[in-house]
Amino acid sequence: QVQLVQSGAEVKKPGSSVKVSCKASGGTFSSYAISWVRQAPGQGLEWMGGIIPIFGTANYAQKFQGRVTITADESTSTAYMELSSLRSEDTAVYYCARSLGYCSSTSCLYYFDYWGQGTLVTVSS
Amino acid sequence: AIRMTQSPSSFSASTGDRVTITCRASQGISSYLAWYQQKPGKAPKLLIYAASTLQSGVPSRFSGSGSGTDFTLTISCLQSEDFATYYCQQYYSYPFFGGGTKVEIK
Repeated sequence: QVQLVQSGAEVKKPGSSVKVSCKASGGTFSSYAISWVRQAPGQGLEWMGGIIPIFGTANYAQKFQGRVTITADESTSTAYMELSSLRSEDTAVYYCARSLGYCSSTSCLYYFDYWGQGTLVTVSS
Repeated sequence: AIRMTQSPSSFSASTGDRVTITCRASQGISSYLAWYQQKPGKAPKLLIYAASTLQSGVPSRFSGSGSGTDFTLTISCLQSEDFATYYCQQYYSYPFFGGGTKVEIK
Protein backbone atom coordinates (compact mmCIF):
# COMPACT_ATOMS: atom_id res chain seq x y z
CA GLN A 1 0.00 0.00 0.00
CA VAL A 2 1.42 3.35 -1.04
CA GLN A 3 1.85 5.86 1.78
CA LEU A 4 2.91 9.48 1.54
CA VAL A 5 3.94 11.10 4.82
CA GLN A 6 4.52 14.83 4.90
CA SER A 7 6.49 17.06 7.25
CA GLY A 8 4.81 19.06 9.98
CA ALA A 9 3.09 22.42 10.09
CA GLU A 10 5.08 25.59 9.48
CA VAL A 11 4.66 29.24 10.43
CA LYS A 12 6.56 31.66 8.22
CA LYS A 13 7.05 35.40 7.86
CA PRO A 14 6.06 37.20 4.67
CA GLY A 15 8.94 37.25 2.20
CA SER A 16 10.53 34.08 3.55
CA SER A 17 10.57 30.56 2.07
CA VAL A 18 9.17 27.22 3.18
CA LYS A 19 10.23 23.70 2.23
CA VAL A 20 7.81 20.80 2.73
CA SER A 21 8.79 17.17 2.41
CA CYS A 22 6.84 14.09 1.33
CA LYS A 23 8.28 10.63 2.06
CA ALA A 24 6.89 7.73 0.06
CA SER A 25 6.72 4.09 1.01
CA GLY A 26 5.06 0.96 -0.28
CA GLY A 27 5.52 1.61 -3.98
CA THR A 28 8.06 2.29 -6.72
CA PHE A 29 8.93 5.88 -5.91
CA SER A 30 11.09 6.74 -8.89
CA SER A 31 8.75 5.78 -11.71
CA TYR A 32 5.65 7.72 -10.63
CA ALA A 33 5.26 11.46 -10.62
CA ILE A 34 4.68 13.32 -7.38
CA SER A 35 2.64 16.51 -7.54
CA TRP A 36 1.95 19.25 -5.06
CA VAL A 37 -1.61 20.54 -4.63
CA ARG A 38 -2.59 23.28 -2.23
CA GLN A 39 -5.85 24.29 -0.58
CA ALA A 40 -6.36 27.69 1.02
CA PRO A 41 -8.69 27.79 4.04
CA GLY A 42 -12.26 27.08 2.94
CA GLN A 43 -11.21 27.06 -0.70
CA GLY A 44 -10.72 24.57 -3.52
CA LEU A 45 -7.74 22.61 -4.79
CA GLU A 46 -4.93 24.07 -6.87
CA TRP A 47 -2.18 22.11 -8.65
CA MET A 48 1.25 23.68 -8.26
CA GLY A 49 3.52 21.33 -10.14
CA GLY A 50 5.01 17.86 -10.24
CA ILE A 51 8.15 15.83 -10.74
CA ILE A 52 9.04 12.33 -11.93
CA PRO A 53 11.92 11.34 -9.63
CA ILE A 54 13.65 9.08 -12.15
CA PHE A 55 13.94 11.98 -14.61
CA GLY A 56 14.36 14.75 -12.05
CA THR A 57 12.65 17.36 -14.21
CA ALA A 58 9.77 19.28 -12.71
CA ASN A 59 6.78 20.89 -14.40
CA TYR A 60 5.05 23.87 -12.83
CA ALA A 61 1.72 25.61 -13.08
CA GLN A 62 2.20 28.99 -14.73
CA LYS A 63 0.91 30.77 -11.64
CA PHE A 64 3.80 29.47 -9.55
CA GLN A 65 6.62 29.60 -12.13
CA GLY A 66 9.68 31.24 -10.61
CA ARG A 67 8.44 30.93 -7.06
CA VAL A 68 8.18 27.17 -6.52
CA THR A 69 10.84 24.51 -6.78
CA ILE A 70 9.98 20.80 -6.67
CA THR A 71 12.76 18.28 -6.20
CA ALA A 72 13.08 14.59 -5.37
CA ASP A 73 15.68 12.42 -3.66
CA GLU A 74 15.48 8.87 -4.96
CA SER A 75 17.81 7.56 -2.25
CA THR A 76 15.29 8.46 0.47
CA SER A 77 12.08 8.25 -1.62
CA THR A 78 11.30 11.83 -0.64
CA ALA A 79 9.92 14.70 -2.67
CA TYR A 80 10.21 18.34 -1.68
CA MET A 81 8.32 21.53 -2.47
CA GLU A 82 9.93 24.87 -1.75
CA LEU A 83 7.87 28.04 -2.09
CA SER A 84 9.62 31.40 -1.87
CA SER A 85 8.60 35.04 -1.44
CA LEU A 86 5.76 33.94 0.79
CA ARG A 87 2.73 36.20 1.24
CA SER A 88 -0.39 35.87 3.35
CA GLU A 89 -2.30 34.42 0.40
CA ASP A 90 0.02 31.40 0.49
CA THR A 91 -1.50 30.32 3.79
CA ALA A 92 -2.88 26.90 2.90
CA VAL A 93 -2.68 23.17 3.39
CA TYR A 94 -0.13 21.74 0.98
CA TYR A 95 -0.61 18.14 -0.21
CA CYS A 96 1.70 15.86 -2.10
CA ALA A 97 0.01 13.30 -4.32
CA ARG A 98 1.09 10.43 -6.51
CA SER A 99 0.30 11.44 -10.05
CA LEU A 100 -0.83 9.08 -12.79
CA GLY A 101 -0.38 10.17 -16.39
CA TYR A 102 2.42 12.06 -18.06
CA CYS A 103 3.78 15.47 -18.93
CA SER A 104 4.82 16.81 -22.31
CA SER A 105 6.43 20.12 -23.10
CA THR A 106 3.02 21.80 -23.20
CA SER A 107 0.80 19.93 -20.76
CA CYS A 108 0.63 17.60 -17.77
CA LEU A 109 -2.09 14.98 -17.93
CA TYR A 110 -2.09 14.08 -14.23
CA TYR A 111 -4.72 12.79 -11.89
CA PHE A 112 -3.96 11.74 -8.32
CA ASP A 113 -4.52 8.40 -6.63
CA TYR A 114 -2.60 8.59 -3.33
CA TRP A 115 -2.29 11.70 -1.18
CA GLY A 116 -0.22 12.79 1.78
CA GLN A 117 -1.93 13.92 4.96
CA GLY A 118 -1.32 17.60 4.21
CA THR A 119 0.95 20.24 5.74
CA LEU A 120 -0.46 23.53 7.00
CA VAL A 121 1.71 26.49 6.09
CA THR A 122 0.73 29.72 7.81
CA VAL A 123 2.22 32.99 6.56
CA SER A 124 1.88 35.73 9.12
CA SER A 125 3.88 38.66 10.38
CA ALA B 1 -6.28 27.13 -18.74
CA ILE B 2 -9.28 24.86 -19.12
CA ARG B 3 -11.58 25.83 -16.28
CA MET B 4 -14.10 23.60 -14.57
CA THR B 5 -17.45 24.75 -13.22
CA GLN B 6 -19.37 22.57 -10.78
CA SER B 7 -23.02 22.85 -9.91
CA PRO B 8 -24.56 23.17 -7.51
CA SER B 9 -21.97 24.54 -5.08
CA SER B 10 -23.86 22.89 -2.22
CA PHE B 11 -27.10 21.14 -1.48
CA SER B 12 -28.86 19.11 1.19
CA ALA B 13 -29.92 15.51 0.78
CA SER B 14 -31.11 12.58 2.84
CA THR B 15 -29.67 9.14 3.32
CA GLY B 16 -30.98 6.90 0.55
CA ASP B 17 -31.35 9.72 -1.99
CA ARG B 18 -30.00 9.51 -5.51
CA VAL B 19 -27.82 12.57 -6.06
CA THR B 20 -26.15 14.02 -9.14
CA ILE B 21 -23.36 16.58 -9.34
CA THR B 22 -22.52 18.33 -12.60
CA CYS B 23 -19.16 19.52 -13.89
CA ARG B 24 -18.69 21.58 -17.05
CA ALA B 25 -15.38 22.25 -18.82
CA SER B 26 -14.66 25.56 -20.55
CA GLN B 27 -13.61 23.56 -23.62
CA GLY B 28 -13.67 19.92 -24.68
CA ILE B 29 -11.56 17.56 -22.58
CA SER B 30 -12.57 14.21 -24.08
CA SER B 31 -12.80 11.87 -21.06
CA TYR B 32 -9.85 13.30 -19.12
CA LEU B 33 -11.85 13.88 -15.97
CA ALA B 34 -11.50 12.66 -12.39
CA TRP B 35 -13.75 12.97 -9.35
CA TYR B 36 -12.62 13.22 -5.72
CA GLN B 37 -14.31 13.14 -2.34
CA GLN B 38 -12.96 15.23 0.50
CA LYS B 39 -14.04 15.19 4.13
CA PRO B 40 -13.16 17.98 6.59
CA GLY B 41 -9.52 17.93 7.65
CA LYS B 42 -8.68 15.07 5.29
CA ALA B 43 -6.94 14.72 1.96
CA PRO B 44 -9.04 14.19 -1.16
CA LYS B 45 -9.82 10.63 -2.18
CA LEU B 46 -9.93 9.54 -5.82
CA LEU B 47 -13.33 8.11 -6.77
CA ILE B 48 -13.42 8.03 -10.56
CA TYR B 49 -10.98 8.65 -13.40
CA ALA B 50 -11.34 8.69 -17.17
CA ALA B 51 -14.81 10.14 -16.55
CA SER B 52 -16.42 6.80 -15.72
CA THR B 53 -13.84 4.32 -14.39
CA LEU B 54 -14.32 3.50 -10.73
CA GLN B 55 -11.12 3.57 -8.67
CA SER B 56 -10.34 0.29 -6.93
CA GLY B 57 -12.10 -0.02 -3.59
CA VAL B 58 -14.71 2.66 -4.26
CA PRO B 59 -18.31 1.50 -3.70
CA SER B 60 -20.36 0.81 -6.80
CA ARG B 61 -23.03 3.33 -5.76
CA PHE B 62 -20.67 5.94 -7.22
CA SER B 63 -20.71 6.35 -10.98
CA GLY B 64 -19.50 8.90 -13.48
CA SER B 65 -20.53 9.77 -17.01
CA GLY B 66 -19.96 12.29 -19.74
CA SER B 67 -17.38 13.35 -22.29
CA GLY B 68 -16.39 16.53 -24.07
CA THR B 69 -17.55 19.38 -21.85
CA ASP B 70 -20.33 17.96 -19.64
CA PHE B 71 -19.88 15.41 -16.88
CA THR B 72 -21.84 14.03 -13.96
CA LEU B 73 -21.10 12.20 -10.74
CA THR B 74 -24.01 10.15 -9.42
CA ILE B 75 -24.40 8.55 -6.02
CA SER B 76 -27.20 6.03 -6.41
CA CYS B 77 -28.14 5.64 -2.74
CA LEU B 78 -26.57 8.20 -0.45
CA GLN B 79 -24.99 6.78 2.70
CA SER B 80 -24.07 8.64 5.88
CA GLU B 81 -20.37 8.43 5.03
CA ASP B 82 -20.98 10.16 1.67
CA PHE B 83 -21.66 13.58 3.18
CA ALA B 84 -18.58 15.43 1.99
CA THR B 85 -17.32 17.85 -0.64
CA TYR B 86 -16.81 16.55 -4.17
CA TYR B 87 -14.38 17.95 -6.72
CA CYS B 88 -14.01 17.31 -10.42
CA GLN B 89 -10.60 17.72 -12.07
CA GLN B 90 -9.66 17.87 -15.73
CA TYR B 91 -6.32 16.45 -16.83
CA TYR B 92 -6.57 17.24 -20.53
CA SER B 93 -4.02 20.00 -20.15
CA TYR B 94 -2.58 21.14 -16.85
CA PRO B 95 -4.56 19.79 -13.89
CA PHE B 96 -7.41 22.07 -12.90
CA PHE B 97 -10.07 21.43 -10.27
CA GLY B 98 -13.66 22.54 -10.10
CA GLY B 99 -14.78 24.68 -7.20
CA GLY B 100 -16.36 21.81 -5.29
CA THR B 101 -19.87 20.67 -4.36
CA LYS B 102 -20.69 20.23 -0.69
CA VAL B 103 -23.27 17.56 0.06
CA GLU B 104 -24.92 18.23 3.42
CA ILE B 105 -27.41 16.34 5.54
CA LYS B 106 -31.02 17.49 5.14
